Amino acid sequence: EAQVTQNPRYLITVTGKKLTVTCSQNMNHEYMSWYRQDPGLGLRQIYYSMNVEVTDKGDVPEGYKVSRKEKRNFPLILESPSPNQTSLYFCASVQAGTDHNEQFFGPGTRLTVL
Amino acid sequence: LAKTTQPISMDSYEGQEVNITCSHNNIATNDYITWYQQFPSQGPRFIIQGYKTKVTNEVASLFIPADRKSSTLSLPRVSLSDTAVYYCLGRPTSGTYKYIFGTGTRLKVLA
Repeated sequence: EAQVTQNPRYLITVTGKKLTVTCSQNMNHEYMSWYRQDPGLGLRQIYYSMNVEVTDKGDVPEGYKVSRKEKRNFPLILESPSPNQTSLYFCASVQAGTDHNEQFFGPGTRLTVL
Repeated sequence: LAKTTQPISMDSYEGQEVNITCSHNNIATNDYITWYQQFPSQGPRFIIQGYKTKVTNEVASLFIPADRKSSTLSLPRVSLSDTAVYYCLGRPTSGTYKYIFGTGTRLKVLA
C-alpha cells in the first residue's frame, strides 16, 4: 500500500530536549515536505526537499532542521524544542517532474513541548 | 509569495450542492490549482486539481475561469461525511515545491 508514515504519532517533551520525528514514504517520490498546523493558521510549510541532499526552507523554518540522506526518509529535527513548537506536524511527498500538486500526507505527529 | 484566500466557514444541509471559492492572484502561470480535504486529526487528502475551465471526478468538480485568479470547488449533494476543512493550494513558482496553503474553509453539513 502506498503510504507516508510518521513516528511517533504523539510526543510530549520538555523545553530543550532534542527530538527527531521520522517520515518515510514507499512511493519513490523525489519531493518531500514538512508542515505544521496550528489553530487558525492552517498548514504552513517548514522545509522541503526536492531530492536526496537537496533541501530548502519553507515559510516557517526557524527552530527546525531536516536531512535527506535517502530518498524515502525525511526526518524533522528539533535541536532545542520550545513551547511555541507545540503543534500538529505533517509530512508529505509528491512525484516530481510535473506541475501536478497531488501530495500524499502522513497521519500526523502531535507534539507538545512543556 | 502567492496567497490563497477562502471563506473561513460554511454551513450546508445534506443533499445540497456546495460551492467553495478560492482566490489565488499569483499562482504560477503553468501551475495546477489543487484542492484538499482534511478531517480532524488526519492529514489532508487530495480531491481534485485543474489548470483551467472545468474538471470533474467522482468526488467533485472544479471550475477555473480564464484569468485563473480564482477557482471554485463544487461538491454535489453533500452528506454528513463531507464535513471537513477544504484547502486550495498553489505554488508561487512553477517547478518548485514551496507550497502555499490557505487557512481553509470549514464546511459543516447539517442533517
